[in-house]
Amino acid sequence: KAGVTQTPRYLIKTRGQQVTLSCSPISGHRSVSWYQQTPGQGLQFLFEYFSETQRNKGNFPGRFSGRQFSNSRSEMNVSTLELGDSALYLCASSSLRTENTEAFFGQGTRLTVV
Amino acid sequence: SQELEQSPQSLIVQEGKNLTINCTSSKTLYGLYWYKQKYGEGLIFLMMLQKGGEEKSHEKITAKLDEKKQQSSLHITASQPSHAGIYLCGADLDDKIIFGKGTRLHILP
Repeated sequence: KAGVTQTPRYLIKTRGQQVTLSCSPISGHRSVSWYQQTPGQGLQFLFEYFSETQRNKGNFPGRFSGRQFSNSRSEMNVSTLELGDSALYLCASSSLRTENTEAFFGQGTRLTVV
Repeated sequence: SQELEQSPQSLIVQEGKNLTINCTSSKTLYGLYWYKQKYGEGLIFLMMLQKGGEEKSHEKITAKLDEKKQQSSLHITASQPSHAGIYLCGADLDDKIIFGKGTRLHILP
């Protein structure tokens, strides 16, 4: 069974640009959660999608958005990039996103904003 | 506010020695997860604890959730270089997993 796949692995963007990251969950999993990881803040929850609907959202500005497709693949978009958006972006896949449900992570996308 | 505190932040251990990492919550934990991360890579799921007093082991790694379900410990026996990395605890909160800031483990040969 394939794991969680995130593409691309690395990205370099310029301030003001926008970027789209992709996450393909484990086959059969319907929940995809996104996290931002930085040295200072650690892992911060961005949002979670389940069956194409956003079910939960963290405290990030509206420049961060996402969506989920009918095949459960998810994308997140960051518009008007800022230097502070440089981070490792991780997605997690679950069969359901309820308490006591295992979540499996992808390898992440390393975004550098210059 | 940070609701999961991990200690220590960093740990340097001689190969072959035992070590313990702690994760403390200000609230009752209903699901506690341990993950390991190599620098710049994704998180590897280690184990999940649900019940007070529960203890699980995987190879030389043992994790326990205390009876009050507000603290978990991760213990590594006879550490090896392959154990090096960042260990993160996570907990279910408001339908999402929140994480501690991690414990960076270095193993000296």
